[in-house]
Amino acid sequence: QVQLVESGGGLVKPGGSLRLSCAASGFTFSDYYMSWIRQAPGKGLEWISDISGGGSAIYYADSVKGRFTISRDNAKKSLNLQMNSLRAEDTAVYFCTRAFCNGGSCYGGSSEYWGQGTLVTVSS
Amino acid sequence: QSVLTQPPSVSAAPGQRVTISCSGSSSNIGKNYVFWYQQLPGAAPKLLIYVNNKRPSGIPDRFSGSKSGTSATLGITGLQTGDEADFYCGTWDDSLNAMIFGGGTKLTVL
Repeated sequence: QVQLVESGGGLVKPGGSLRLSCAASGFTFSDYYMSWIRQAPGKGLEWISDISGGGSAIYYADSVKGRFTISRDNAKKSLNLQMNSLRAEDTAVYFCTRAFCNGGSCYGGSSEYWGQGTLVTVSS
Repeated sequence: QSVLTQPPSVSAAPGQRVTISCSGSSSNIGKNYVFWYQQLPGAAPKLLIYVNNKRPSGIPDRFSGSKSGTSATLGITGLQTGDEADFYCGTWDDSLNAMIFGGGTKLTVL
């Protein structure tokens, strides 16, 4: 079965850095777009970034562009998010998700499977 | 302010029917498929409806989705107390080149 397990969250000071990872299993990782989506405490869902199966297509939300970098290692079935210049407003649970794909095409704006999330707290 | 507009809350009695609207524009719902997610308290979101109106295996047919123009609707019939959750619509926006979500709707089963 599909499993997504995030790690790397924790407490970091404003201006600091953190690297999140997501270990994927139960599917052919390289066939799927993957996303990072976050949820601030008591708030709604906010998409952060997408990366295509081969890693050639990458998209970012304006709120993190230039500060966050998404990457993947298909051999290790791992999705990563390098977060730099962190701000208090980046405090959230970060979810790793797999796109909904059918017949070789993945649908933008879709997250078929979600990890349990990892909490990032940015505070002095 | 979310790009997709949902009512903050809806409520109905057990056994009743409720609908949740999701309003967008020509660059998002008007051009792309809509997905709905259910987030139970303390849990990660779960895909409820995909490509406008299809249910993943395991999702009961009490849940339905529809899309017309730049709006989409989630319907839930035969409400149960276990349905209480936050519901989000989501899609891709071609102008923003971004995945977007509605602000979420809290369902209360009275």
